[in-house]
Amino acid sequence: AQSVAQPEDQVNVAEGNPLTVKCTYSVSGNPYLFWYVQYPNRGLQFLLKYITGDNLVKGSYGFEAEFNKSQTSFHLKKPSALVSDSALYFCAVRDTGGFKTIFGAGTRLFVKA
Amino acid sequence: EPEVTQTPSHQVTQMGQEVILRCVPISNHLYFYWYRQILGQKVEFLVSFYNNEISEKSEIFDDQFSVERPDGSNFTLKIRSTKLEDSAMYFCASSETSGLSGDTQYFGPGTRLTVL
Repeated sequence: AQSVAQPEDQVNVAEGNPLTVKCTYSVSGNPYLFWYVQYPNRGLQFLLKYITGDNLVKGSYGFEAEFNKSQTSFHLKKPSALVSDSALYFCAVRDTGGFKTIFGAGTRLFVKA
Repeated sequence: EPEVTQTPSHQVTQMGQEVILRCVPISNHLYFYWYRQILGQKVEFLVSFYNNEISEKSEIFDDQFSVERPDGSNFTLKIRSTKLEDSAMYFCASSETSGLSGDTQYFGPGTRLTVL
């Protein structure tokens, strides 16, 4: 069965410091991996995805993520955090054979000025 | 930038009543989805829809639920007889091509359904 784990409920980081939001996954086949962000009273906004190819994926707002097949991880990173990055971040996975996207529980990122 | 829109933003209903949640997917998208998020829980897949047919559904999507594309722009989720446990945020999503190819699903802002 497919699953996604986000081990941290909350990540706190100071503005200007690098940030990492962790994600591990489990699928039966090759995964499609996604990161979404949710701001208060807004929907899920797409940040980036890994389909195939280069393990380092770059996305919106300076975010990037690294796919690590051996560790089944897809951690979200940003070299320099902004206060405006504070939001709820969801990692998600989709098996290449299906339509449904499986979401993690979400990690709240808090960036302090 | 094109967006998925949903109406209403908040729906309050009495237990046993029927509700219809509405979505307008991105205009050139062909695949449509509903997800829900019960407060404090994960976002869960309900159903995917293509070419006027359900292509995949979860065990949550029982006979109380139905989906329809009544015209060229709207995509609806109907809950026939609401239960207290149907209270959740319901997200509509759409993608240009099949999710089988890894295409991105774009989500709307959600409808918060409260069943009293």
